[in-house]
Amino acid sequence: ETGVTQSPTHLIKTRGQQVTLRCSSQSGHNTVSWYQQALGQGPQFIFQYYREEENGRGNFPPRFSGLQFPNYSSELNVNALELDDSALYLCASSSSLQTGQGARGYTFGSGTRLTVV
Amino acid sequence: QKEVEQDPGPLSVPEGAIVSLNCTYSNSAFQYFMWYRQYSRKGPELLMYTYSSGNKEDGRFTAQVDKSSKYISLFIRDSQPSDSATYLCAMSGGYNKLIFGAGTRLAVHP
Repeated sequence: ETGVTQSPTHLIKTRGQQVTLRCSSQSGHNTVSWYQQALGQGPQFIFQYYREEENGRGNFPPRFSGLQFPNYSSELNVNALELDDSALYLCASSSSLQTGQGARGYTFGSGTRLTVV
Repeated sequence: QKEVEQDPGPLSVPEGAIVSLNCTYSNSAFQYFMWYRQYSRKGPELLMYTYSSGNKEDGRFTAQVDKSSKYISLFIRDSQPSDSATYLCAMSGGYNKLIFGAGTRLAVHP
C-alpha cells in the first residue's frame, strides 16, 4: 500500500508567476484535501475534491484552484503568486466513508515547499 | 481571535518526563478532536482521535477532551528523544475541514 505522494518537494517561483503542485492519493482513497502551512503555523484548509468536484473551500481567493482526476490524483494551481504564498502545501487523501468522521482518515503527504521571491 | 489556540512553545523536557500539551477552542460545534505529530520536513501524522468528550489512551499517549471548558489535552508519558517533533491539535464539526492549532514544538533531551 503506497502513501500520499506529492511533487515537487521544493519549488522557487517569482512573484506574479503561476504554479502547479501535484498529489497522488493513497490507494483506496477517493477524496483529496489541500492545506497551506505557513512557517510556524498550523495547516489551513484550502479546498477538498471528491468525485472530481470541489467539495468545500476555505478562505482562499479564486487564484487558488484545483483539479481531481479519475484516478483520484489531484493538482493545486496558484495564479499570480504573491510573497505570502510562500508555505508548505500539504495534500491529504481519505475515503469518503472516513471523511464524515471529522476527517479521521486523513493521510498527509510530506508536502511541497513553495518559496516565492 | 483564532478558533483554535495552542501555545507554540518551544517546550524542552528531559527524557522520561511527562509532557502535557493543550489547546483551547471557541467553536462549540466541534465534535471531533485529533492530535497530529509532525516531524521536520514531513507531513502531519495522526496520533490520537477522540469523538466528543472523554479520555482515550494509546500506549504512552493519553488524549482528554473537555467540551464544557472547550479544552483538549495530550499527555505523553515516559517521553523519549524520538518524541521530539511539533504537535498539532486539530478539530472538526463534521465533514471536510480540519481546523488546526499553530502547533507546539517539543524537544526531549537524553
